[in-house]
Amino acid sequence: EAGVVQSPRYKIIEKKQPVAFWCNPISGHNTLYWYLQNLGQGPELLIRYENEEAVDDSQLPKDRFSAERLKGVDSTLKIQPAELGDSAVYLCASSFGTSSLNEQFFGPGTRLTVL
Amino acid sequence: DAKTTQPNSMESNEEEPVHLPCNHSTISGTDYIHWYRQLPSQGPEYVIHGLTSNVNNRMASLAIAEDRKSSTLILHRATLRDAAVYYCILFQGAQKLVFGQGTRLTINP
Repeated sequence: EAGVVQSPRYKIIEKKQPVAFWCNPISGHNTLYWYLQNLGQGPELLIRYENEEAVDDSQLPKDRFSAERLKGVDSTLKIQPAELGDSAVYLCASSFGTSSLNEQFFGPGTRLTVL
Repeated sequence: DAKTTQPNSMESNEEEPVHLPCNHSTISGTDYIHWYRQLPSQGPEYVIHGLTSNVNNRMASLAIAEDRKSSTLILHRATLRDAAVYYCILFQGAQKLVFGQGTRLTINP
C-alpha cells in the first residue's frame, strides 16, 4: 500500500515568491493534516481537514497561507508571498477518522528554503 | 494541551534494550499516550499507544505507570535503524497531535 505522497520534496524560492505543496493521502483516509516543522523542533499543526471541510485552521497564518482539499482527497498548501521565516519542512499526514485509536501516517515532507 | 516531559537525548548500544521515559503529570482520564518517532529526513511514524495497560507490538513495548503520570517506551533490542527522535504525546482523538522536542536517541554500534 502506498503511503502519503508529497511533492515536491525540496523547493528553493526567493522571498516574496509564491509556492505550493501537494499531498496525496492514503486511500480511504478521510482526515488530512498539514504540519510545519522548524529545524530542531517537533511538528506543529497548521490545518486539519475532515473530508473537504477544514475543521481546525486556527494555527494557519491566513494572511499568506491558504489550503484546499477539493473532493476530499488530494490537498494543496500555498504560501503567497513567502517570507524568509517560512523556511521549514511542511509535512502532510492522513488518518482514517480522528479517534484516539487512529494513528496518523506522515509523508516525507517538503523542505522549503526561502532566500 | 496536556504537557509531556522527555529527556533531550539518550544514548545506547546496539542490541541492548532502551528505556525512553516520559512524564505527563497533568494527564487527564481520557488522554491516550501515543509515541511517534522521526528518523532523519523522514516524517514521523507511529510507534505505539496505550491508555492504562501495558502494550506490546512488533516495534516496541509501552509501560504505563499505575497512576498514569509517567510512561516508558521500551525497545527490546536496539538496532542502528532505531536512531531517531522519539516523541511522547497525549492525545484525545479529534484534536491535534502536539509534539514536544522529543528525545534524540543515538545508537552506538
